[in-house]
Amino acid sequence: EAQVTQNPRYLITVTGKKLTVTCSQNMNHEYMSWYRQDPGLGLRQIYYSMNVEVTDKGDVPEGYKVSRKEKRNFPLILESPSPNQTSLYFCASSNPRTGRAGGSPLHFGNGTRLTVT
Amino acid sequence: GENVEQHPSTLSVQEGDSAVIKCTYSDSASNYFPWYKQELGKRPQLIIDIRSNVGEKKDQRIAVTLNKTAKHFSLHITETQPEDSAVYFCAAREANTGNQFYFGTGTSLTVIP
Repeated sequence: EAQVTQNPRYLITVTGKKLTVTCSQNMNHEYMSWYRQDPGLGLRQIYYSMNVEVTDKGDVPEGYKVSRKEKRNFPLILESPSPNQTSLYFCASSNPRTGRAGGSPLHFGNGTRLTVT
Repeated sequence: GENVEQHPSTLSVQEGDSAVIKCTYSDSASNYFPWYKQELGKRPQLIIDIRSNVGEKKDQRIAVTLNKTAKHFSLHITETQPEDSAVYFCAAREANTGNQFYFGTGTSLTVIP
């Protein structure tokens, strides 16, 4: 089944304790992206990657890191989490080259609800 | 970059009535406009999309219209049902930046039985 898999689904941690949220897709998509979702603010992009070893900042990158060593994986790293990073996080992927003009839609993972105390 | 605005932020309709959600975008180079439905606690899921070379697309009870000149697009849900209750997001894909998607802030739709 074509899917984007995020782990863990729920995570509670304390301020300053490094954590990684994993994301993997099995659709051979070139493009991957991380979003955070907060009430009233919609989906805000954190980082994205156009291909292996190519990453770039989104709208809210502060406090986050990413890496893209393999096409299928795009982990989100919080080196020193703070309470303002408590949020619902979604990983997504798509392939800009498939389909007609405009590429394919974004496929989302099931989300990771992070609480930082 | 692209800016997508979505209205209304909340919408309540009686079961069987129609619901319309509107979005505007700023970048005339955007060429792909998906709509996502997000049920409580779940991931956004694509329900319909439209590309810039098409003015309207319909899939059963849902339809999307696109006005490129005015730079706005709308989601229309007819004969609404309680299971249509969810948050709906519009998005625009900016062609110039490769594959960047820009989202509206969402509309919380409640269908009252």
